[in-house]
Amino acid sequence: QVVESGGGLVQPGRSLRLSCTTSGFMFGGYAMNWVRQAPGKGLEWVAFIRHKAYGGTAEYAASVKGRFTLSRDDSKSIVFLQMNSLKTEDTALYYCVRESGGGLDYWGQGTLVTVSS
Amino acid sequence: QLVLTQSPSASASLGASVKLTCTLSSGHSTSTITWHQQRPEKGPRYLMRVNSDGSHNQGDGIPDRFSGSSSGAERYLTISSLQSDDEADYYCQAWATDIRVFGGGTKLTVL
Repeated sequence: QVVESGGGLVQPGRSLRLSCTTSGFMFGGYAMNWVRQAPGKGLEWVAFIRHKAYGGTAEYAASVKGRFTLSRDDSKSIVFLQMNSLKTEDTALYYCVRESGGGLDYWGQGTLVTVSS
Repeated sequence: QLVLTQSPSASASLGASVKLTCTLSSGHSTSTITWHQQRPEKGPRYLMRVNSDGSHNQGDGIPDRFSGSSSGAERYLTISSLQSDDEADYYCQAWATDIRVFGGGTKLTVL
């Protein structure tokens, strides 16, 4: 299972932290991604974090680089997405997705982030 | 630059077959991709992984009506014996060292 939480309504310029809690698989052996979908739009990749064997480092889409930070706690099987300096265009349904060798293969149900004044 | 191109829409009749296409950008013609289905008002679901040699690995619980294939820089998703609940958006996804990419999606209408 992959379960996202932490979404909500936030004003532009403020911060929000999303969590992704997982179970049922060996979390430490997988990279994890965040993918978002703005209302009526397609899927947009946001960020991924490698598993520890590959350094546990993260990569980001250009649209969020410098504002979003991805981290993981393998002891709790959780991924965090810290979102700072939020913009109205960050409004979307945010999905946490497991990755297997580059291919995304298990989706959460999503958490809604609305950035509005 | 890795870019995936999909036709915005496709349609086929109930019980027929349809083949959706995902085209990899120049320099990425040997890349593996994944296909995902998103039914109306639902979250995406992983369907399968398709390799450059045409082999594919379906996700758990995905019916055999869904199959994948390849030709050059094109990756295909074929759905046979179309059912009404196959009406959905279909996305392909690929990756490079520091990036993951989605195609724009194809909206499939079952007539």
